[in-house]
Amino acid sequence: RKEVEQDPGPFNVPEGATVAFNCTYSNSASQSFFWYRQDCRKEPKLLMSVYSSGNEDGRFTAQLNRASQYISLLIRDSKLSDSATYLCVVNQYNNNDMRFGAGTRLTVKP
Amino acid sequence: DADVTQTPRNRITKTGKRIMLECSQTKGHDRMYWYRQDPGLGLRLIYYSFDVKDINKGEISDGYSVSRQAQAKFSLSLESAIPNQTALYFCATSHTGGQPQHFGDGTRLSIL
Repeated sequence: RKEVEQDPGPFNVPEGATVAFNCTYSNSASQSFFWYRQDCRKEPKLLMSVYSSGNEDGRFTAQLNRASQYISLLIRDSKLSDSATYLCVVNQYNNNDMRFGAGTRLTVKP
Repeated sequence: DADVTQTPRNRITKTGKRIMLECSQTKGHDRMYWYRQDPGLGLRLIYYSFDVKDINKGEISDGYSVSRQAQAKFSLSLESAIPNQTALYFCATSHTGGQPQHFGDGTRLSIL
């Protein structure tokens, strides 16, 4: 079993749609969680950190469920520019062992 | 955003050649990392460094070596390249463990 698993997609949604991605992790000691965005042939860029109480940044909402060991990302009112691959990243506190999911590909269509 | 700079951006070379990928950063971060990315596998950690005197193996260090020449510079070497080392390589930095990492633009390496 992979340490961090994501549905690879692709998710194809129309503009304005709401889309959600889940990511499961196997290490119950994991402490830090992040969502990164990666455009084709580009470097990953931090989208948002994921906090225990859940957090929102504009159209993006991240949730953490420690009991079930998953994190989620919700994108509301999708834009064409949201088309990218979204990477789930999990890290043990004070440990540099970041584990990356393989990514979920999103395409937003007109 | 050129806070983390990788050179070269693209490289094609032959099996058995020695290759060095270089990374420099202006973020002032102590921690630096090298990853490779392969389709369907996500990023995998090759080596990481906490400071100039500290080097640590990651998940897939075999066939690679690194050098931390200064706080701002971290280079990755393939002593004798083989085709299954064809991948996209990223350098990253972070302020402390558990903090988000900041990536360079990547080096696309092809070994024939």
